[in-house]
Amino acid sequence: AQKVTQAQTEISVVEKEDVTLDCVYETRDTTYYLFWYKQPPSGELVFLIRRNSFDEQNEISGRYSWNFQKSTSSFNFTITASQVVDSAVYFCALILYNQGGKLIFGQGTELSVKP
Amino acid sequence: EPEVTQTPSHQVTQMGQEVILRCVPISNHLYFYWYRQILGQKVEFLVSFYNNEISEKSEIFDDQFSVERPDGSNFTLKIRSTKLEDSAMYFCASQIVYGPNNEQFFGPGTRLTVL
Repeated sequence: AQKVTQAQTEISVVEKEDVTLDCVYETRDTTYYLFWYKQPPSGELVFLIRRNSFDEQNEISGRYSWNFQKSTSSFNFTITASQVVDSAVYFCALILYNQGGKLIFGQGTELSVKP
Repeated sequence: EPEVTQTPSHQVTQMGQEVILRCVPISNHLYFYWYRQILGQKVEFLVSFYNNEISEKSEIFDDQFSVERPDGSNFTLKIRSTKLEDSAMYFCASQIVYGPNNEQFFGPGTRLTVL
């Protein structure tokens, strides 16, 4: 069965600290996609990144970076120099290639960045 | 920029009543989804819809639920006889073509409260 685990329920940091959000996934499929979404206090889901299972290159976008390691089935998300506006719930999600539409979400990590 | 819209933003209903949640997907999108998020929990897939048919549905999507695209623009989720446990945020999403390498664009959600 497919599953996404975000073991960190809540993380609290002080502004300008770096923070890493962990995501571990389970699937026997070889072709799949991984996602990160941000859910700010206003409640909407904001797409951050998509990565397919054949692309293990890490990605950096401004203060955000993602580390994908198939060997450990992990797709971790790091925010560098965190800001108060980064406070949100972050969800990691998985889609199997042969289930092209069904996003399987993790439980989410609530990040609180304090000034 | 085109966006998915949902109405109402908040719906309060009595247990046993029927509710219809409305979504207007992005105009040239062909695939539509409903997801549910019980407060404080993960986002869960309910149903996907294409060409006026359900493509896939989850175990949550039982006979109390139905979806339709009545007029070519709206995409609705109907809950026939609401239960207390249907209280949740309901997200609609649309996708231009099928496949995990195509982003699902989420609406802002409808918060359903069943009393």
